[in-house]
Order: sequence, then structure tokens, then C-alpha cells
Amino acid sequence: RKEVEQDPGPFNVPEGATVAFNCTYSNSASQSFFWYRQDCRKEPKLLMSVYSSGNEDGRFTAQLNRASQYISLLIRDSKLSDSATYLCVVTNNAGNMLTFGGGTRLMVKP
Amino acid sequence: ETGVTQSPTHLIKTRGQQVTLRCSSQSGHNTVSWYQQALGQGPQFIFQYYREEENGRGNFPPRFSGLQFPNYSSELNVNALELDDSALYLCASSDALRGRGTGELFFGEGSRLTVL
Repeated sequence: RKEVEQDPGPFNVPEGATVAFNCTYSNSASQSFFWYRQDCRKEPKLLMSVYSSGNEDGRFTAQLNRASQYISLLIRDSKLSDSATYLCVVTNNAGNMLTFGGGTRLMVKP
Repeated sequence: ETGVTQSPTHLIKTRGQQVTLRCSSQSGHNTVSWYQQALGQGPQFIFQYYREEENGRGNFPPRFSGLQFPNYSSELNVNALELDDSALYLCASSDALRGRGTGELFFGEGSRLTVL
């Protein structure tokens, strides 16, 4: 079993749609959680951190369920520019090593 | 622009050869991590250096080795190249205290290695 698992997609959605991605992780001692975004043939960049209380950044909402070892990302009112691969990221219990999921590809169509 | 630069951007090697990839970290960052990203996969952690010492290693064989220099720049060396080593190699810098991480890594654009 992979340490961090994501549905690879692709998710094909029209502009304006709401889309949700899920991620599960296997290490219950994981300390911190993040979503990164990677555009085609580019490097990954931090999108947002994920907190147990849930957090929102504009159209993006992230949720963490430690009991179920589950992380989600919700994107509202999708834009063409949201097309990218979204990487779920988990740190180890020391917090110094990041483990990436395989990524979920999103394609937003006009 | 993250301020993290990698070289070379592309290279082609043959099986059995050795390769050295280089990374200059963002100014003020003391930690460098290296990742391997195969096509269609997420980045896989190779190792991390903090103040010139290895500070964690992923599931990669010993033929993957690294260095960090006093100016915090870093090298990744791979010996006895295999076809499966073909991938994008990403360097990421961060400003992390030993044993604690911020989670925000600043990645370079990567070195794309093809092994024939």
C-alpha cells in the first residue's frame, strides 16, 4: 500500500463547477499536511496547508480527518487556470520529510 | 521564481554511467531536499541535507548519494545508471530547524535525466 494515495483522475469539469479531491495516508503519526499544485512540465508549488479544523483560501477549502487518515480539497467555481495536477503531501512524525501522493489531474474546460 | 536553480536542465546518459546534478538553494535556506519524479507519478523523496549533513533518506539505493556545501548548495550523484533512473530530479530548499519542517518547499525547475 502506498503511503499517500490519490485518485489519479483526470477530472474533466466545466468552468464554474465544484470539484473535490480526496487523499488517504497510511502513517498515523504524520504531523503536517499540505496540498501542492503542479502545472504541466513545471515544478510543484505549495497551494495550502491543511488543518484539523479545516481551512479556506478563496475558492479552495481543505479538510483533514485524522481519525480516518483522510484529506480533501474542494475547489469552487472552477477556472480554466485551475487546470493542473494536485498533489497531496504528508510529513513524517519528525516533520522533516515530505511524502507526496501520485497526484490528481484536473482539467477545466470552457 | 523560487530562487532555486538547478543544472543541467536536460541530459542524456547511457546505462552504467554516472551523473552529477547541481542545485543552488534560495538565499537564506539551510535545508535542501532531492526528489525523483517519474512520468505521471508524484515526487519521491531521495534524501535531505541540513547544514551539510544528511538529515533523512528515502527508499533509494546507496548509488544515490549527495553533498551539501557550506553555502548550502547541493549535488546529487547517481552511479551505475539504470534505465529506470530516467526521471525529473527536483531539488527543493527550505528554512527548517533540524527535526522540524515548515512543509513549504521551494522547488527548482528540475533536471530531466534520460538514460538510454
